[in-house]
Amino acid sequence: AQKITQTQPGMFVQEKEAVTLDCTYDTSDPSYGLFWYKQPSSGEMIFLIYQGSYDQQNATEGRYSLNFQKARKSANLVISASQLGDSAMYFCAMREAGGYNKLIFGAGTRLAVHP
Amino acid sequence: SQTIHQWPATLVQPVGSPLSLECTVEGTSNPNLYWYRQAAGRGLQLLFYSVGIGQISSEVPQNLSASRPQDRQFILSSKKLLLSDSGFYLCAWNHAPLLTGELFFGEGSRLTVL
Repeated sequence: AQKITQTQPGMFVQEKEAVTLDCTYDTSDPSYGLFWYKQPSSGEMIFLIYQGSYDQQNATEGRYSLNFQKARKSANLVISASQLGDSAMYFCAMREAGGYNKLIFGAGTRLAVHP
Repeated sequence: SQTIHQWPATLVQPVGSPLSLECTVEGTSNPNLYWYRQAAGRGLQLLFYSVGIGQISSEVPQNLSASRPQDRQFILSSKKLLLSDSGFYLCAWNHAPLLTGELFFGEGSRLTVL
């Protein structure tokens, strides 16, 4: 069965520093997609970045990059130059195989950025 | 552009009362639709998904049901709420097939059952 694991319930980072949020996954399907979402205190879910299992390069979107290590089945999110507005919950998710584009989510990591 | 709205945003209901949460997508056709629930401080659990009108798949046995009476409308219901139904409910959509499968979420509905 497919599974997403986020082992860090909470993380702290100083403003302007970089931070890595961990995510490991488990699947037997060779074709899958990995996502990161941000959830501020308002509750909305904001899509950050996507990595396909066949993508040769790590995905990047502005200050976000995804450190994709396929052999280790990890897809860590790196946020560079943290800002106070980055304080939020961050969820890693995987597109489930078999169609319908269902996403399964990890438990999340709460990031606090300190000035 | 596509938008998704769900309502109500917040509701407080007594145990045993009925529930109806509505979700509507605009600016697209034949979307996949999903209902997720998020317990306090937890991740998202997929409750239902739908690939077309009248087609509902349930992910977990529970006290809730879903319906899709129109192409872009998704409704989450319960006849009698339980305390354990409290949580943050998120409606989402995407297209199938879609390369990335990215989900677009509504604003969420926070339900408190007392």
